[in-house]
Amino acid sequence: NAGVTQTPKFQVLKTGQSMTLQCAQDMNHNSMYWYRQDPGMGLRLIYYSASEGTTDKGEVPNGYNVSRLNKREFSLRLESAAPSQTSVYFCATSGGYFNQPQHFGDGTRLSIL
Amino acid sequence: EDQVTQSPEALRLQEGESSSLNCSYTVSGLRGLFWYRQDPGKGPEFLFTLYSAGEEKEKERLKATLTKKESFLHITAPKPEDSATYLCAVQARMEYGNKLVFGAGTILRVKS
Repeated sequence: NAGVTQTPKFQVLKTGQSMTLQCAQDMNHNSMYWYRQDPGMGLRLIYYSASEGTTDKGEVPNGYNVSRLNKREFSLRLESAAPSQTSVYFCATSGGYFNQPQHFGDGTRLSIL
Repeated sequence: EDQVTQSPEALRLQEGESSSLNCSYTVSGLRGLFWYRQDPGKGPEFLFTLYSAGEEKEKERLKATLTKKESFLHITAPKPEDSATYLCAVQARMEYGNKLVFGAGTILRVKS
């Protein structure tokens, strides 16, 4: 039972390159989330999908796009990477009902040169 | 604006030395407060949910408590394996999509 799987685990990009981070869950959860985590700062929400077919902006959406491909998969795309997007990216899921905790993958460590 | 502040930023303890981590929050109607543990190179791992002031939850050497303005994570007789970053997050009552607002975390190091 993998839970939440993120690929790739590590990636180095050059400024201006594009890339898609993948997230898949086998928990049958309705809601999925993308966060970034930077030193000294809390996890910040980039985008989320409350249910299949819907996506909404979070706190820091600029420079990112998302796709909720189906109930299991939620991808995050950087169209033109910038050094400020160097970070660790986490995908999370929850059942979608109030008070349910979010469950996280192990992250993608992304460096943009 | 919903806000979460954790203190201290870092805490060093000797094995067996009990202490507490603090999470202060400002939220427009608290739906839930969540504690997570994060090990280096890993994603956050869920520990507890607290819903209302006065509530307490326990798991092994950890006990989480909640008041109207803050939560404490008490660590009793810690062991080196308790070393991790502990994250606190709040969920506002009217938030669509069960969004969480996280604090920056407390880095705990327990030395043997």
